[in-house]
Amino acid sequence: GAGVSQTPSNKVTEKGKYVELRCDPISGHTALYWYRQSLGQGPEFLIYFQGTGAADDSGLPNDRFFAVRPEGSVSTLKIQRTERGDSAVYLCASSLYSPTAGEETQYFGPGTRLLVL
Amino acid sequence: GENVEQHPSTLSVQEGDSAVIKCTYSDSASNYFPWYKQELGKGPQLIIDIRSNVGEKKDQRIAVTLNKTAKHFSLHITETQPEDSAVYFCAASISGRYSTLTFGKGTMLLVSP
Repeated sequence: GAGVSQTPSNKVTEKGKYVELRCDPISGHTALYWYRQSLGQGPEFLIYFQGTGAADDSGLPNDRFFAVRPEGSVSTLKIQRTERGDSAVYLCASSLYSPTAGEETQYFGPGTRLLVL
Repeated sequence: GENVEQHPSTLSVQEGDSAVIKCTYSDSASNYFPWYKQELGKGPQLIIDIRSNVGEKKDQRIAVTLNKTAKHFSLHITETQPEDSAVYFCAASISGRYSTLTFGKGTMLLVSP
């Protein structure tokens, strides 16, 4: 079936602008995660949703970053007043908890490459 | 919070050789350890994972071992092929209903024909 999709694949913007990054999770997956990956680094957690609510937003770097998931499926990561340091790959992952197995596996999308000039 | 260290940062091998990547973690409560492969311009792809109730898991040419006492785990790739060339990431989390992953910094594996 279809995996996690993210749009746009690339985004170039100017310092100070507002951007929105979209994530379409795997159908039926109830959990959705956003991670940020800087060049040469591993992904770093930003926020995760269970259903429509943000269950943990402790990884958001500051109040310029915000994410929503209004209907419990698609999620949008919003960055206000972008700065050059926001340039990175923004990854989305979704997962489905298996009560029988008692475990969850995260599946990642291809990411959005954000460049702030 | 959890901290994951990964070594080496780069690894070059000849086709057919074995490759080993090692990770250590700091939080003794962590009990889920996935490995992801990331090719250029793509998102991380899960290749194998291990949970703390087992010490080793194997899937064809790939195996992962876990030493909970020492808090380290390793990825072993045998009979490497050029298509194994990619960046590999280890991660750790406290497995439960849902849990965030803490990643290592990655290992760039280059397999030369």
